[in-house]
Formats: sequence, C-alpha cells, structure tokens
Amino acid sequence: GAGVSQSPSNKVTEKGKDVELRCDPISGHTALYWYRQRLGQGLEFLIYFQGNSAPDKSGLPSDRFSAERTGESVSTLTIQRTQQEDSAVYLCASSLLLGTRSSYNSPLHFGNGTRLTVT
Amino acid sequence: DQQVKQNSPSLSVQEGRISILNCDYTNSMFDYFLWYKKYPAEGPTFLISISSIKDKNEDGRFTVFLNKSAKHLSLHIVPSQPGDSAVYFCAAKETSYDKVIFGPGTSLSVIP
Repeated sequence: GAGVSQSPSNKVTEKGKDVELRCDPISGHTALYWYRQRLGQGLEFLIYFQGNSAPDKSGLPSDRFSAERTGESVSTLTIQRTQQEDSAVYLCASSLLLGTRSSYNSPLHFGNGTRLTVT
Repeated sequence: DQQVKQNSPSLSVQEGRISILNCDYTNSMFDYFLWYKKYPAEGPTFLISISSIKDKNEDGRFTVFLNKSAKHLSLHIVPSQPGDSAVYFCAAKETSYDKVIFGPGTSLSVIP
C-alpha cells in the first residue's frame, strides 16, 4: 500500500485480556517504530526495529509489552494481561534507514493508529 | 526526563497572521529536528525538518529556525489558515542513532 497501515483501528478489551496490534509499514522502509499517545499526552516512544532486530526496547512500559517484526515488514505489538492504564492510541511509523552511520536522515511516516480501550 | 519540550500546550492565532510554535531540547547530541502536524483520529504527518548544519529551512508557508546555542527551534507559519488548526509536534534525533524523541505537542487554533 501507499502508506503505513495499522489494524485494528479500534479495539475494546476487558482488563486482563491479551491484545495484538498490527502494523504494515511502507514497502522498502527498513526502520519501524511504535509510539503510544495517552489522552492529552504527547507521543511516547515504545520500541523501534532496524530490519528485524530491535536495538532499542527502552520505552516498553513493562514486561507485559512485547513486539516482533518478521521479514522486514509486518510488526505486531502484543500487550498481555491488559490494564486500564494501557488505554491509548498506539501509533506505528516507518522510515528509510541507510545505516546508523549514514549522514542521511529520513522522516517517519505514521499510520492512523489503533485506539485501545481497556474496560 | 523530557528531552524535547513544548512549553505552550495551546496557541490561538487570527487567520492571515503568523503562528510561531516553539520547541526546546536538552540533549546536545541531537542534530536533526522535525515538525509534525496531527489532526484528530489521524496519525502525525511530516511537515518540515532541519539539520543542525543549518539555522533555517523554508517550505512554502512553513519555516523552521534553529538556534543551536540556545537549544531552541521554532516553526513559523505565515499566513496562518484555518486548515492549519491541529496539534504540532516537535521531534529530535541524533543522526547516528535512530530513536526519534517527540515533544508533548502544541494545539494550534487558527480563527477565521
């Protein structure tokens, strides 16, 4: 597709259930990012992938959160045993990456997000 | 510890006038800066960027100014239009590191 695609667009789940969020990046984009935006807050970095590896997982809030990426394309963010404080919009973004030593910077292109509501 | 700060949560401007959105950062290693615009229920869209080797970058009605010594950048929109009403995020990164840090955003309202 032309842009970053995220599914589902909305998810309502009961506290304690697991959820899986999906991101399809722009074709050819090697870098993939997950951010979270809670109500009235800014964009909170969660994790990013360079290809299939995740050099920086520092933003994951707890061990209930995990993410994986296969084939340098689709990524899934999994939240286990959801809590009400997990309610937020989860945003995925992708960008070209020409190596961490490259002097070239490429902007991130975002999907429309998944709005997660934990009741 | 917030590395990218946008101290004005909101800004209101008359149509046709200049909008100035400000951003401060604390990490002196940041050398690439971006501005994004976000409408409700949509993902942020890229507006304009600037590298630390420059102090100004212009694209149509949008100009970003960078003051490295003050660790401050600003986005100027002139003339402002009602369609510019959105939340604007400032973001920063180091060229040699791929993590992009976003500020909390400023909500701009352009009044017709």
